[in-house]
Amino acid sequence: QVQLVQSGAEVKKPGASVKVSCKASSYTFTSYGISWVRQAPGQGLEWVGWINPYNGNTNYAQKFQGRVTMTTDTSTSTAYMELRSLRSDDTAVYFCARESQQLAFTIDYWGQGTLVIVSS
Amino acid sequence: DIQMTQSPSSLSASVGDRITITCRASQTISTYLHWYQQKPGKAPNLLIYAASSLQSGVPSRFSGSGSGTHFTLTISSLQPEDFATYYCQQSYNTPRTFGQGTKVEIK
Repeated sequence: QVQLVQSGAEVKKPGASVKVSCKASSYTFTSYGISWVRQAPGQGLEWVGWINPYNGNTNYAQKFQGRVTMTTDTSTSTAYMELRSLRSDDTAVYFCARESQQLAFTIDYWGQGTLVIVSS
Repeated sequence: DIQMTQSPSSLSASVGDRITITCRASQTISTYLHWYQQKPGKAPNLLIYAASSLQSGVPSRFSGSGSGTHFTLTISSLQPEDFATYYCQQSYNTPRTFGQGTKVEIK
């Protein structure tokens, strides 16, 4: 069955960077996009951006432009999201998710989430 | 950016009730509209994609309708496991955007 397994929780200081990994299994990694979505404590879902593992093309939400980089390693079917210059309001659970072009670009599978805490 | 507005923000209902959640887009999105269920501490789970297609494994009491700018999610007979938060999301263009969520609570 399709699985997206993310790296563990992180605690970072303001101004630092964090890199979250997302290992995919049981499907052809390069055939589906990977979106990253975050959820601050008690809040709704916020789209961070998207990467096409086939060609590395990315699309970032404007509010994260310049602070976020999404990459993939097709040899290990792993996606990465790096967020720099962390602020306290970046504290959130970060989800990776598979986006399916065949299903009208819906997100059909989600990782378990990675809690990132930004605190001095 | 396309704004997605859900209503209500929360509702209280009883087991067996029929409930409807509405999602409106700030511009037309055809049927690029999806519904997710999220329980506390868990990742969202896809219920409905492309406005009205039931995701495999999702009970048939869930249904979706709409196109353009107005969409609805209906649960025909609420079950205890359906108490959760529901989100709509558009994939018509980027940035992908979500509604603010509708929390369904037990009356």
